[in-house]
Amino acid sequence: GESVGLHLPTLSVQEGDNSIINCAYSNSASDYFIWYKQESGKGPQFIIDIRSNMDKRQGQRVTVLLNKTVKHLSLQIAATQPGDSAVYFCAESGADSSYKLIFGSGTRLLVRP
Amino acid sequence: GAVVSQHPSRVICKSGTSVKIECRSLDFQATTMFWYRQFPKQSLMLMATSNEGSKATYEQGVEKDKFLINHASLTLSTLTVTSAHPEDSSFYICSALPLSGGAGNEQFFGPGTRLTVL
Repeated sequence: GESVGLHLPTLSVQEGDNSIINCAYSNSASDYFIWYKQESGKGPQFIIDIRSNMDKRQGQRVTVLLNKTVKHLSLQIAATQPGDSAVYFCAESGADSSYKLIFGSGTRLLVRP
Repeated sequence: GAVVSQHPSRVICKSGTSVKIECRSLDFQATTMFWYRQFPKQSLMLMATSNEGSKATYEQGVEKDKFLINHASLTLSTLTVTSAHPEDSSFYICSALPLSGGAGNEQFFGPGTRLTVL
């Protein structure tokens, strides 16, 4: 079936360093991708999204890169802060022309002070 | 803007009872809402798509008679866990898709409801 997976379940970085969280997706027909941040006991928080007609999109301190050739998505966080500590999920959508989201397994980001 | 609320935030119930969880879009209308379940240290799994004015669409493996969904208005969807058992204990999260389409396909998520079945 469809699946979205991640390479690293846990990522530990030093405060101030850049973080890169990776995600592999399996459905080449997906055309919309989103990164979410989830803190303990809370719902997912939208970070940034990208459509399949783009390779890169930048936000405030975050950048999403999409490589459709290898079906790979990444989230880059610049100058990682303690408040960035959370679980990050990628999600894909649009393969079946619906708005359903398929979530990846998640990466826990730990920021060392 | 684009706030989604859930009620209750936490609920504890006895095995065999039913629990209703509400999902409301507070400042926008949503013809489509989604219900997810998340077990500890796992990802969100889509349970069903809730459509205003029509029957919900359930994902494979989700029992529609156990997880009753009602989308009574453009701002409210409810999930009722019937005859709850301890294995139904989980974090239930809803999301809402704005009627206007929002920023592309962006869904807005609620804060989640922690269900514990004793």
